[in-house]
Amino acid sequence: EVQLVESGGGLIQPGGSLRLSCAASGFSVSDNYMSWVRQAPGKGLEWVSIIYSNGRTYYKDSVKGRFTISRDNSKNTLYLQMNSLRVADTAVYYCARDQEYWGQGTLVTVSS
Amino acid sequence: EIVLTQSPATLSLSPGERATLSCRASQSVSSFLAWYQQKPGQAPRLLIYDASKRATGIPPRFTGSGSGTDFTLTISSLEPEDFAVYYCQQRYDWPFTFGQGTRLQIK
Repeated sequence: EVQLVESGGGLIQPGGSLRLSCAASGFSVSDNYMSWVRQAPGKGLEWVSIIYSNGRTYYKDSVKGRFTISRDNSKNTLYLQMNSLRVADTAVYYCARDQEYWGQGTLVTVSS
Repeated sequence: EIVLTQSPATLSLSPGERATLSCRASQSVSSFLAWYQQKPGQAPRLLIYDASKRATGIPPRFTGSGSGTDFTLTISSLEPEDFAVYYCQQRYDWPFTFGQGTRLQIK
């Protein structure tokens, strides 16, 4: 059974850093494209970053240079390193395997 | 960035009725268009991918159609559990983008 469990969210001040983790089971993170998608409170969905099986990564312009997506194949875990956080980054962050499997999300709140 | 525009913003229908949701892309996305359902406090659930293919476990009352720039999600006969927010999403080009959503509410 495919499962994705996010962790690492919390309250952080503007300018701070946070690392989100997504522990996967039932498949290998290296065999599929993996993504981070976020949803600000009461708003729509936004695809933030993606990492393909070949290691190629892409980022939405608003997070480019601040966020880094990566994976640890030995731990079967996906990460999102978030630096220079802004109030506008406040959202529930979901990890997803391709389009079909999603985690339950972890809330990141950026506030002073 | 490809912009997806969904209509209507809100759709009020009764159980048993037919729902038709639209999604228009600012440029062609070929058939790389998906539909999701989202209920409060839950992650999105994939319904349709590649414009017309039902995801695993999705009942046949959900049908996707279209290609290029115009797409439709049809729910043939609404069940009580179908009332939710629906999003379209393209994976034709990065950044992948979503529509703003259609809220399907009980009339």
